[in-house]
Amino acid sequence: QMQLVESGGGVVQPGRSLRLSCAASGFAFRSYSMHWVRQAPGKGLEWVAIISFDGDNRYYADSVEGRFTISREVSGNMLHLQMNSLRPEDAAVYYCARGIVVGPAGLGYLDFWGQGTRVTVSS
Amino acid sequence: DIQMTQSPSSLSASVGDRVTITCRASQDISNYLAWYQQRPGKVPKLLIYGASTLQSGVPSRFSGSASGTDFTLTISSLQPEDFATYYCQKYNSVPGTFGQGTRLEIK
Repeated sequence: QMQLVESGGGVVQPGRSLRLSCAASGFAFRSYSMHWVRQAPGKGLEWVAIISFDGDNRYYADSVEGRFTISREVSGNMLHLQMNSLRPEDAAVYYCARGIVVGPAGLGYLDFWGQGTRVTVSS
Repeated sequence: DIQMTQSPSSLSASVGDRVTITCRASQDISNYLAWYQQRPGKVPKLLIYGASTLQSGVPSRFSGSASGTDFTLTISSLQPEDFATYYCQKYNSVPGTFGQGTRLEIK
């Protein structure tokens, strides 16, 4: 069956870096766009980033633009999120999600989500 | 950026009630609107996409509609498992902004 399994979360000091990963299985990973969405403790969902199926197009929320980088490894069915210059407000559960591309901008909705990995930013 | 505003922020209802949650976009997003359900401690789940198309496996008591920039999620007869937080999300363009959520509680 389909699975998305995130890893790499943990406690990190402000200003430091962390790399999250998401292992995909049970579907044709190379055919789908992939997203990262986060949820701060007790808060709502915040869309973070998208990468197209072929990796050619990447877009980010303004709150992470220039600090976070989304990437994918087709050979290993892996999605990554490199997070640099972390801030306390980046603390959240980070979910990877599969995208179904619809519409002119290639964004799409999210039809399957992983269980999430928690990132804590604290000194 | 286009803002997505949900109302109400919270709602109390009883099993069997009909409830409606609204999501308003600050600009035209056509029908590029999805609804998600998140039960406490669980992962978000897609309910509806294209403003009104039910995702496979989602009970038919859930429905969605659109009127201009106003979108509605309706649950026709609440079941115990429906008590959760609901989010809308636009996907016509980047960023894929979510509404702030509507928490549906048991009365």
